[in-house]
Amino acid sequence: GQQLNQSPQSMFIQEGEDVSMNCTSSSIFNTWLWYKQDPGEGPVLLIALYKAGELTSNGRLTAQFGITRKDSFLNISASIPSDVGIYFCAGQLRGSNYKLTFGKGTLLTVNP
Amino acid sequence: DADVTQTPRNRITKTGKRIMLECSQTKGHDRMYWYRQDPGLGLRLIYYSFDVKDINKGEISDGYSVSRQAQAKFSLSLESAIPNQTALYFCATSDSLAGALDTQYFGPGTRLTVL
Repeated sequence: GQQLNQSPQSMFIQEGEDVSMNCTSSSIFNTWLWYKQDPGEGPVLLIALYKAGELTSNGRLTAQFGITRKDSFLNISASIPSDVGIYFCAGQLRGSNYKLTFGKGTLLTVNP
Repeated sequence: DADVTQTPRNRITKTGKRIMLECSQTKGHDRMYWYRQDPGLGLRLIYYSFDVKDINKGEISDGYSVSRQAQAKFSLSLESAIPNQTALYFCATSDSLAGALDTQYFGPGTRLTVL
């Protein structure tokens, strides 16, 4: 099946640092979503992007829908310990009947 | 109260046993999904349902079956559990009325261990 290439797989950063992660694909997506999963919980939606070029912020988080419709990035500014978790990108392929394709996740560790 | 609930949250069973995982939602969404999560593999779609009378296979449906008992309830069954079905299972919902703005909302997950 269609795969999203999410990178990096893991990150170890110091509190206060900025973080950037991204997803790329060879296919065109209509929608890009970014989720965060805390240990023992289900993924929680952080940001949804619906138009090419769209740049959306949610507090310290900023995400963009790539102009080519084949990529997206998520930035976290001034990281704090509670940012720890797994971040997933997900995309809705053009013509996929609203099914989502998920990246394999980025594990973020923040050292206080 | 949570919008999407899953029961049980944890289950340990033996090979060959029949297992049912249940999902309920109060969001009023018409679409429901079952995913499986394995370390390093992300989330993979098992089955999805766009309405009470609509059931569709996802990318890894072998060994699983589902039932959409009502708009708010979607259950996943393992007819004869095997050890490689040990995983985290997530239910999700979405709203077709959102159209192009459709996004999925996840339950807290069920951790299933098959011995």
